[in-house]
Amino acid sequence: SQTIHQWPATLVQPVGSPLSLECTVEGTSNPNLYWYRQAAGRGLQLLFYSVGIGQISSEVPQNLSASRPQDRQFILSSKKLLLSDSGFYLCAWSTGSLARANEKLFFGSGTQLSVL
Amino acid sequence: GIQVEQSPPDLILQEGANSTLRCNFSDSVNNLQWFHQNPWGQLINLFYIPSGTKQNGRLSATTVATERYSLLYISSSQTTDSGVYFCAAALYGSQGNLIFGKGTKLSVKP
Repeated sequence: SQTIHQWPATLVQPVGSPLSLECTVEGTSNPNLYWYRQAAGRGLQLLFYSVGIGQISSEVPQNLSASRPQDRQFILSSKKLLLSDSGFYLCAWSTGSLARANEKLFFGSGTQLSVL
Repeated sequence: GIQVEQSPPDLILQEGANSTLRCNFSDSVNNLQWFHQNPWGQLINLFYIPSGTKQNGRLSATTVATERYSLLYISSSQTTDSGVYFCAAALYGSQGNLIFGKGTKLSVKP
C-alpha cells in the first residue's frame, strides 16, 4: 500500500533562516506531488505541484521554492524565512491529474512551522 | 476559477445528533472530494464523489452535479467526529488542482 512521510512534525525557525521540508511517498511510481499551506483560519492554499522529476509548477508567487530531485521526493525550501511564512504545511500526492475521474488526493501528516 | 463554498462555518452538536454539511461549487466539476481534518491536523480522504451517493458507516455523501452542490451527512455523531470537514473540487480540463472550501468546523460534545 502507499504511504506518505513528511518531516519534521514541528519546526521553530528565526526570521531570515533557511527552510527545508521533505516529503516522500512509498508504494507508487511517478505520483503527482503537492505542497499546501494552511494558515490559521483553516483554508488550504496550493503552493506547488509536480507531475514529474524536475517539473515544478508554482501557484502563488512567494518566498518559497520547491524541488523534486527524485521520483517520490518533494522538497519545500526557503533561503530566508519571513514571519508570514508561519503556518501548517502539508504534502500530498495523487496517482495522476486530479482533473481525471477517480483520482484521489492523499495527505501527509503536516509540518507546523513557526517563524519567530 | 472555480469557487467552493461550505456551510455552516461552525457547528456544535451533542453526541448522538445528526448533521448535514453543505458544499456549493460554481462550475461543473470532474472531481469532488470530502476530507476530515482531525484536531491533530491529519487530513483524511472521506469520499470521492463528483456525482451520486456513497455511504461509509455513519457517514454518507450526495452530490447533485447538475445543481452544483454536495452534502455530507453524519449520523449518530461521536466525539471523534470533531474536526474540520473540507470539500474540494477540480474542473474537467483544468490543470487538475483541487480547490478547497474554507471548511466546516464540527465540535461534538459528550
